[in-house]
Amino acid sequence: EIVMTQSPATLSVSPGESATLSCRASQNIDSNLAWYQQKPGQAPRLLIYGAFVRATGVPDRISGSKSGTEFTLTISSLQSEDFAVYYCQQYDDWPPLTFGGGTKVEIK
Amino acid sequence: QLQLEESGPGLVKPSETLSLTCTVSHGSINIDYYYWGWIRQPPGKGLEWIGSIYYSGSTYYNPSLKSRFTISADKPNNRFSLELTSVTAADTAVYYCARDGAGSYQGGWFDSWGQGTLVTVSS
Repeated sequence: EIVMTQSPATLSVSPGESATLSCRASQNIDSNLAWYQQKPGQAPRLLIYGAFVRATGVPDRISGSKSGTEFTLTISSLQSEDFAVYYCQQYDDWPPLTFGGGTKVEIK
Repeated sequence: QLQLEESGPGLVKPSETLSLTCTVSHGSINIDYYYWGWIRQPPGKGLEWIGSIYYSGSTYYNPSLKSRFTISADKPNNRFSLELTSVTAADTAVYYCARDGAGSYQGGWFDSWGQGTLVTVSS
């Protein structure tokens, strides 16, 4: 099973600043990674797939990158609607599909 | 726009069987190469993939969940279901159904989700 490790668990950021979230895979997953945003009481929302590709309607201040088995979600100029929990998910080798433990982005 | 909606009991007794249904609208579960999945989230915790069903009817499950789950499709009614036997308190969670948006045999990411349904296991 591929283990996805997200860090940090919580990120405190001021509105207007940038946030950098990390997700590490336990083995090579190429670019087979997705990112989701989840707000309280809501279902997850797809942000990024293929490590880099923004889903429909996702603003271009949200971007994905990778270096080896380390993946990064960058949110620039944080707005109020960006404060949420973010999950990564690998789909390179499954079953099982596996998610990271999540990073909560909170207002500083 | 594709919509998914979960339905089922909000409360189940320990050792009983839980059955949930996901009804799909503004889209079809019969479209080639799509997977339809179930994901759950215990209160205050992260996401756990339960399993997925391919358009062909093939099913794939999370090996760590010990074969208590069964996913099936009801194509004429455009819905798919999840059955979980011998439930315990550890199965208390919000259960989501979702579509795998990759549209290929490899599978991938979930691009459309239901709103989720909270299932509580308690006597």
